[in-house]
Amino acid sequence: DTEVTQTPKHLVMGMTNKKSLKCEQHMGHRAMYWYKQKAKKPPELMFVYSYEKLSINESVPSRFSPECPNSSLLNLHLHALQPEDSALYLCASSQDDYRSISSYNEQFFGPGTRLTVL
Amino acid sequence: GESVGLHLPTLSVQEGDNSIINCAYSNSASDYFIWYKQESGKGPQFIIDIRSNMDKRQGQRVTVLLNKTVKHLSLQIAATQPGDSAVYFCAGEKLTFGTGTRLTIIP
Repeated sequence: DTEVTQTPKHLVMGMTNKKSLKCEQHMGHRAMYWYKQKAKKPPELMFVYSYEKLSINESVPSRFSPECPNSSLLNLHLHALQPEDSALYLCASSQDDYRSISSYNEQFFGPGTRLTVL
Repeated sequence: GESVGLHLPTLSVQEGDNSIINCAYSNSASDYFIWYKQESGKGPQFIIDIRSNMDKRQGQRVTVLLNKTVKHLSLQIAATQPGDSAVYFCAGEKLTFGTGTRLTIIP
């Protein structure tokens, strides 16, 4: 299995809702990532987990809360979002942390969750 | 900090010709670069990477060249095919993505 899966594919939520995005990989990868991508823009790194521990938070607002319950799963909990948070949220994983000098830090991306905040 | 950028937002190439997509970076201490391909409706896909101790790296139909003197890297795609149509991003070691070049292959 060389796939990163993300659910749901689409999500519409109001500003007062609480929702969660899910990401799963069964490749034994030890690093997992959340990115945000606005239309016609490049992906922007949000969080990095390495060995199930949060290693990088790119100054993301607290209304986004990541969680890594185990080495295969990565969640992004959403609360009190704003319309400008509407975007494609991408999950990725790599065998080693991207900062390692090994040859195994190729990132595999999921298809993303298209989020619309009303 | 790390900054990477791409030179052209769009590029159209005849099918079968070679494509060259360029990228510049600002931090001379950057040690690692990655090229990604993103097709419409999909997540980015890793194409090839290169470390600063190399000038050139080749993959299947792709070659990445790194010129550390002018802080520039390029992605060359040989004998382009319709399936090569996508947005191409370069990224630096801090996973900062450039703005992207949309490559269109003309049949």
